[in-house]
Amino acid sequence: RKEVEQDPGPFNVPEGATVAFNCTYSNSASQSFFWYRQDCRKEPKLLMSVYSSGNEDGRFTAQLNRASQYISLLIRDSKLSDSATYLCVVTPISSGSARQLTFGSGTQLTVLP
Amino acid sequence: DVKVTQSSRYLVKRTGEKVFLECVQDMDHENMFWYRQDPGLGLRLIYFSYDVKMKEKGDIPEGYSVSREKKERFSLILESASTNQTSMYLCASSFTLGLAGGSYRTDTQYFGPGTRLTVL
Repeated sequence: RKEVEQDPGPFNVPEGATVAFNCTYSNSASQSFFWYRQDCRKEPKLLMSVYSSGNEDGRFTAQLNRASQYISLLIRDSKLSDSATYLCVVTPISSGSARQLTFGSGTQLTVLP
Repeated sequence: DVKVTQSSRYLVKRTGEKVFLECVQDMDHENMFWYRQDPGLGLRLIYFSYDVKMKEKGDIPEGYSVSREKKERFSLILESASTNQTSMYLCASSFTLGLAGGSYRTDTQYFGPGTRLTVL
């Protein structure tokens, strides 16, 4: 089983639609969670961190469900510029260091005019 | 703005050649990482370094080595390139955040633009 699993998509949605992605992680010790965005032929960039209480940044909302070990990303009123691959990322914190991030394979979103 | 640069955007090499990929960051980050990204497999960690001259194996270190002689520079070396090493190579860097109780974790990772390596 992969440590971080995502539905690869593609998700094709019309402009203005609301779209949600889920991501599951296998390591219950995982403590930090992120969503990264990767545009075609570009490097990944941090979109937002995911906090236990859930967090919102404009049209984007991230949620964490520790009991079920999944993270979600909701995009409201989607724009053409939201077309990208969204990467779910986790990092464990144990008694030692946690310098690594574990990336999901990504979910591809295309917003159609 | 954090800047992570990689020596080449595109590289074509022949099987058996020695290949050097260089990465430089300008934010005094302790941690540096090398990943490869392949369709359907996502980002896979090859090696990382959390200090000068320190290195740790990631998930797929076979066929690769690394060098970190200076804090800002992290090199990935393919001793004898093979066709299955054709891939997109991404370098990243991050700070280390100290946490209560003596543990720590990496902060946000900043990526370079990537090097698309083709091995013929």
